[in-house]
Amino acid sequence: DGGITQSPKYLFRKEGQNVTLSCEQNLNHDAMYWYRQDPGQGLRLIYYSQIVNDFQKGDIAEGYSVSREKKESFPLTVTSAQKNPTAFYLCASKNRDRNTEAFFGQGTRLTVV
Amino acid sequence: GDSVTQMEGPVTLSEEACLTINCTYTATGYPSLFWYVQYPGEGLQLLLKATKADDKGSNKGFEATYRKETTSFHLEKGSVQVSDSAVYFCALSSGGSQGNLIFGKGTKLSVKP
Repeated sequence: DGGITQSPKYLFRKEGQNVTLSCEQNLNHDAMYWYRQDPGQGLRLIYYSQIVNDFQKGDIAEGYSVSREKKESFPLTVTSAQKNPTAFYLCASKNRDRNTEAFFGQGTRLTVV
Repeated sequence: GDSVTQMEGPVTLSEEACLTINCTYTATGYPSLFWYVQYPGEGLQLLLKATKADDKGSNKGFEATYRKETTSFHLEKGSVQVSDSAVYFCALSSGGSQGNLIFGKGTKLSVKP
């Protein structure tokens, strides 16, 4: 079945550590996105990529990094520079056509311990 | 820039009540419009969409009509169920943003038996 997979579902990070969240899609979508969601809040765009080997900062990119070496994969690294990383992280993918919808993964809940 | 404004929540209804969640947008050109639903602890799922003026999207008893004259895309359901309890997001995708989605802040719906 085609879809988008995030892993792990739950992740715990110690202060000062970098952690990487995985996002893989087999939908042949060009565009991929990372969003952050805080309790009771909407979605905030962290980074997005419209094509392999290219990505753009979103609204809250500070303290995060990404790579897009393969069409299927768009991992997000939460660095130690991110001061308040505890949140729910959502990955999405879509075609670049404006008429098409985005498909979302099940999310990764990151907690700093 | 493009933006989406949806009514603040939370919204609490009794089972079988009518639901309306208001959504208005600002966009250049002719955006496509979407409603997504998020159940607790999960990613977002597409509920319905409309790609041009006067189109009506519908799914699972939910409907929304793309109104260009009022720049609105209100979500409606005639009789809600407890299982409809979730957070609902209105979103748009315009050609100017290469198909990137812009989300409203979400409206939490709770349906009581």
